[in-house]
Amino acid sequence: GAGVSQSPRYKVAKRGQDVALRCDPISGHVSLFWYQQALGQGPEFLTYFQNEAQLDKSGLPSDRFFAERPEGSVSTLKIQRTQQEDSAVYLCASSSNRGAVDTQYFGPGTRLTVL
Amino acid sequence: AQKVTQAQTEISVVEKEDVTLDCVYETRDTTYYLFWYKQPPSGELVFLIRRNSFDEQNEISGRYSWNFQKSTSSFNFTITASQVVDSAVYFCALSEAGNYGGSQGNLIFGKGTKLSVKP
Repeated sequence: GAGVSQSPRYKVAKRGQDVALRCDPISGHVSLFWYQQALGQGPEFLTYFQNEAQLDKSGLPSDRFFAERPEGSVSTLKIQRTQQEDSAVYLCASSSNRGAVDTQYFGPGTRLTVL
Repeated sequence: AQKVTQAQTEISVVEKEDVTLDCVYETRDTTYYLFWYKQPPSGELVFLIRRNSFDEQNEISGRYSWNFQKSTSSFNFTITASQVVDSAVYFCALSEAGNYGGSQGNLIFGKGTKLSVKP
């Protein structure tokens, strides 16, 4: 079956631009997570959705970061007024259970480069 | 505080050697889960294994085996008879039940160990 997909795979933005990153989770998966992975580091948690509800956004680094999942399926991570420190790979993961600790399956990521 | 430590930054072995990747974790929760993921050069994180804190049985899957020891808070990963295709970055991760204020479900990753297997 289809896995988690993300688009675009690569995004180059000029400092100050807004960007939108899309995640299509595995069909039927209730939980959706966003992570940020800096070069040479492990992924770090950004935010978590259960269906359309954003239950945890404690990892979002600033109010320039915003995520939504309006219909409980596709999710978009938006970064406003991008800065160079936002350059990273943004990973999306989904799991089938309602917030319980279930296995998360990851997409290929979006590599964001801010010039 | 929750934390995962992978002390080995890079390991290089020759094909057919056995290699062990270390993982040490910290948590106050009595219920937690441990994971290993593989990240090949393509970038996608591939799930390898999930263990819960109540099951300390070691597990073997083909050339892969995992040693979970609560007494030392370790969850080490061994690849037997390594192959070039095993070359990747391997991440150990922890997820808590959230009983001590931590977020339930999100993964806390180590910094990863880059494994290079040379022919």
